[in-house]
Amino acid sequence: GQQVMQIPQYQHVQEGEDFTTYCNSSTTLSNIQWYKQRPGGHPVFLIQLVKSGEVKKQKRLTFQFGEAKKNSSLHITATQTTDVGTYFCAGLNYGGATNKLIFGTGTLLAVQP
Amino acid sequence: DTAVSQTPKYLVTQMGNDKSIKCEQNLGHDTMYWYKQDSKKFLKIMFSYNNKELIINETVPNRFSPKSPDKAHLNLHINSLELGDSAVYFCASSPPGLAGVLGTQYFGPGTRLLVL
Repeated sequence: GQQVMQIPQYQHVQEGEDFTTYCNSSTTLSNIQWYKQRPGGHPVFLIQLVKSGEVKKQKRLTFQFGEAKKNSSLHITATQTTDVGTYFCAGLNYGGATNKLIFGTGTLLAVQP
Repeated sequence: DTAVSQTPKYLVTQMGNDKSIKCEQNLGHDTMYWYKQDSKKFLKIMFSYNNKELIINETVPNRFSPKSPDKAHLNLHINSLELGDSAVYFCASSPPGLAGVLGTQYFGPGTRLLVL
């Protein structure tokens, strides 16, 4: 079945350092969403990418969708302690069942002040 | 005024018991979901309902039975609980997508189930 893997599984950075998580799908995606889950919390939607090669920015966060629509990345510039949490990508399989997101394995970000 | 609410927040029970989790959304969405998040944080869809109709039923033991009395509510009943059912269960809802693009998922706060 379709798999969505994220690397790294865990990253520990010093506050102010940059952070990147990569998301790779075994199949082509029609779109990809990113979510953030704070410790003890629930996933919260960050952004959605639809077009091949699309790049979107939200303040210090930059999201990219690969040209082949099989991978995506989230880059955080100058991390802050408020960035702590698990970041999930979630893809919708191209031509697959609607309303069914496949979530990535997640990347846990720890930020040391 | 919580968008997606779940009860209870915590559930501790013995193996073999039957329990229910309730979910309500006041966002007016047609589609609701149940997700299971295990101890490794893997988040996997279990069920999806669209306007009270079951549209996604993943490979879930038939001890799990969802019920949607109306499009604002989606409950999950679990029979004969097992140790492996311990996890966090999230309810979510989403608006209709456009041109095959799935709408944003709005998650509830989660129900932390511990089976002893």
